[in-house]
Amino acid sequence: QQQVKQSPQSLIVQKGGISIINCAYENTAFDYFPWYQQFPGKGPALLIAIRPDVSEKKEGRFTISFNKSAKQFSLHIMDSQPGDSATYFCAASMRGSYIPTFGRGTSLIVHP
Amino acid sequence: GAGVSQSPSNKVTEKGKDVELRCDPISGHTALYWYRQSLGQGLEFLIYFQGNSAPDKSGLPSDRFSAERTGGSVSTLTIQRTQQEDSAVYLCASSLVPSGTEHGGYTFGSGTRLTVV
Repeated sequence: QQQVKQSPQSLIVQKGGISIINCAYENTAFDYFPWYQQFPGKGPALLIAIRPDVSEKKEGRFTISFNKSAKQFSLHIMDSQPGDSATYFCAASMRGSYIPTFGRGTSLIVHP
Repeated sequence: GAGVSQSPSNKVTEKGKDVELRCDPISGHTALYWYRQSLGQGLEFLIYFQGNSAPDKSGLPSDRFSAERTGGSVSTLTIQRTQQEDSAVYLCASSLVPSGTEHGGYTFGSGTRLTVV
């Protein structure tokens, strides 16, 4: 069964610190790995995504690290800010499948 | 519109009543999804529409749940004889490409928060 395991379930970080959220998958056919950010009362929004042909993708303070051999990928938020406080979901998709598999989410709180 | 619009934003209903939730996707997005998000839980896939193809209903939790998409645009999710365990946020998403793997991924609406009392 396709699964994406996300950890930790919750994370508290001080302002300026690094937030790290991890995901592990099983199906090697997955070829697209997005991260979504969800603020209270809103739907998730695409934050950043990576394909397995690269090991890292950076957009501003957000970086995805991808380890194909370990079947793991992670989101790093550098210089975390209170405005980053949200729920983060990782996901995995594959060509030919139109239903991505989502992780269970990580609630991030950044203290000022 | 500029985004995915869902209505109502909140719905409180009595156990046993039927409810209809509406989703208006981004114009031109052929793929439309319904997800359910229970408190503190992840995103549970419910149903998927792609163009004029038959929908994938594999995620619907029971036959009390149904959905339709008229004219390839607006979609309605109907829950009959609501139960307390149906209380959740129902999210609609649309995408230009199935599975949201390109062109900005999924665009989610803000959801309908359903409370069954």
